[in-house]
Amino acid sequence: DAGVTQSPTHLIKTRGQQVTLRCSPKSGHDTVSWYQQALGQGPQFIFQYYEEEERQRGNFPDRFSGHQFPNYSSELNVNALLLGDSALYLCASSLETSGSPDTQYFGPGTRLTVL
Amino acid sequence: AQSVSQHNHHVILSEAASLELGCNYSYGGTVNLFWYVQYPGQHLQLLLKYFSGDPLVKGIKGFEAEFIKSKFSFNLRKPSVQWSDTAEYFCAVTDSWGKFQFGAGTQVVVTP
Repeated sequence: DAGVTQSPTHLIKTRGQQVTLRCSPKSGHDTVSWYQQALGQGPQFIFQYYEEEERQRGNFPDRFSGHQFPNYSSELNVNALLLGDSALYLCASSLETSGSPDTQYFGPGTRLTVL
Repeated sequence: AQSVSQHNHHVILSEAASLELGCNYSYGGTVNLFWYVQYPGQHLQLLLKYFSGDPLVKGIKGFEAEFIKSKFSFNLRKPSVQWSDTAEYFCAVTDSWGKFQFGAGTQVVVTP
């Protein structure tokens, strides 16, 4: 039973570029959440996708967008990259049951460096 | 908006010592509470969770946490730590929509 997988593992971009990060949820999970974890900080919630729709969003600008596919996998897109976007991006999956949140399972993350 | 506060950023203790990490949250509604752990070089893993019922919850590896609603707290404890407990520990809160809010984390170092 595969856990949450993310790709790529590491990524280096320059300011102004665009990036796409990918996530495959744990088998049987239908909800995907994305987080940004800066060095020395806790994960910050970006947004959550369920049934291919963005259901919840944290305090991130519109440069951060996402998508969920029918197979529940998800992408995180960041446009017009800034130096401050350098961080570990985490994907977490969970199973929506009766409208209540369940335990989130985290992937290993994608380390994004913006030069 | 909900927030989570972890009192200690760094904790250093010797093997066999007892560990208690503080976590307070700010949120007026029903919450679900979690502790996650991140071992060196590994990804976040669930340590324990509280949704309802007995406020004293037991997790993996001998950890337990107590939910005190009146104090908005969810402190993590372990009676006797091991070197392998060296890790970063995160407290997290979700509302009914599943929007997670994490604390800043506590780095725990256990010395032999």
